[in-house]
Amino acid sequence: DTEVTQTPKHLVMGMTNKKSLKCEQHMGHRAMYWYKQKAKKPPELMFVYSYEKLSINESVPSRFSPECPNSSLLNLHLHALQPEDSALYLCASSSVPGANVLTFGAGSRLTVL
Amino acid sequence: GENVEQHPSTLSVQEGDSAVIKCTYSDSASNYFPWYKQELGKGPQLIIDIRSNVGEKKDQRIAVTLNKTAKHFSLHITETQPEDSAVYFCAASMRGGADGLTFGKGTHLIIQP
Repeated sequence: DTEVTQTPKHLVMGMTNKKSLKCEQHMGHRAMYWYKQKAKKPPELMFVYSYEKLSINESVPSRFSPECPNSSLLNLHLHALQPEDSALYLCASSSVPGANVLTFGAGSRLTVL
Repeated sequence: GENVEQHPSTLSVQEGDSAVIKCTYSDSASNYFPWYKQELGKGPQLIIDIRSNVGEKKDQRIAVTLNKTAKHFSLHITETQPEDSAVYFCAASMRGGADGLTFGKGTHLIIQP
């Protein structure tokens, strides 16, 4: 299995909702990442997990809460989001922290009403 | 932090012709330079990469060149085909990628039949 799987593919939520995005990989990778991509823009790094511990938080607002319950799973919990948070959220993984090659998932497209 | 500039933002070429996309980076400590292809509705897919100890790398119709002195790297696609139409992102990373990737703004490549 050489894929990063993200669910759901599409999510529409109101500003008062609580929802979660999920990411799963079975490649034995020990580094996992969340990126945010706005339309016609490059991906922007949000969080990095190394060996299931948060190693980088790029000053992301607390309404985004990441979680790495085990080496194969990465969640992004969403609460009280704003319409400007609407974007494609990409998960990626790499074999070990510091390994350059990132494998991306197809993304979860989030719309906040 | 690292800053990656990418040109052009849009490139239209005739099928069968070559396409060249150029990127510059700001931090001489960057040591890994991947190129990603992103098709509509999909996540970025790694197509080729190069490390700072190599000047050129080729994989069939795709090649990447790196000029460390000028802090400049380029993607070359020969004999372009309709399926090459996509958005292409260059990226750079330091510390072996432990801090994630810094992406250029992307190039929308259009292959005219």
